[in-house]
Amino acid sequence: DIQMTQSPSSLSASVGDRVTVTCRASQTISRYLNWYQQKSGKAPKLLIHATSTLQSGVPSRFSGSGSGTDFTLTISSLQPEDFATYYCQQSYSTPYTFGQGTRLEIK
Amino acid sequence: QVQLQESGPGLVKPSETLSLTCTVSGGSVSSGSYFWSWIRQPPGKGLDWIGYIDYSGSTNYSPSLKSRVTISIDMSKNQFSLKLSSVTAADTAMYYCARRSFLTGSYTACDIWGQGTMVTVSS
Repeated sequence: DIQMTQSPSSLSASVGDRVTVTCRASQTISRYLNWYQQKSGKAPKLLIHATSTLQSGVPSRFSGSGSGTDFTLTISSLQPEDFATYYCQQSYSTPYTFGQGTRLEIK
Repeated sequence: QVQLQESGPGLVKPSETLSLTCTVSGGSVSSGSYFWSWIRQPPGKGLDWIGYIDYSGSTNYSPSLKSRVTISIDMSKNQFSLKLSSVTAADTAMYYCARRSFLTGSYTACDIWGQGTMVTVSS
């Protein structure tokens, strides 16, 4: 199985801050990396697929980058609605493993 | 638009079989473009991929659950289902069904999710 490791596990930030979440794969996954946002008590929502392609309706303050084993999710200017938990997932090979999540909290 | 809805018992006894169904509306499980998936999330923990089935009935399961999992599809009812046998307390989780789609070329992701259903394993 491909192991996905996110850092940090939790992060405190303020509205307007620029935030970066990192995801590392235990082996190369090319650009087969997705990012999901999960708000408390809700199902995950797909934000980004194929490392950097935003889903329709996702604000442009979200961006993704990387390739191979190292990937990042960046939120350029945090908004109140962005406080949630973020998960990366590799879609390179089954089982399609997730990172452990990064909880983004209000400072 | 396409919507998914999980259903099934919220309480299962240890050693018994967990059975859940996902009903698809606004779309068809017989479409060849999708993989109908199950993902679970233990309370306070992260997401755990269980497996998927496609329109042909081809399945792919997590190795850690493979000996206990069966995913099936019922095109007449536009549903797909999950069975997990010999459950223990470690199987207590929110269970989500989701649609995995080809979004850009060969890149896939779960673009539509059900709201989830909580299953507790307890006597």
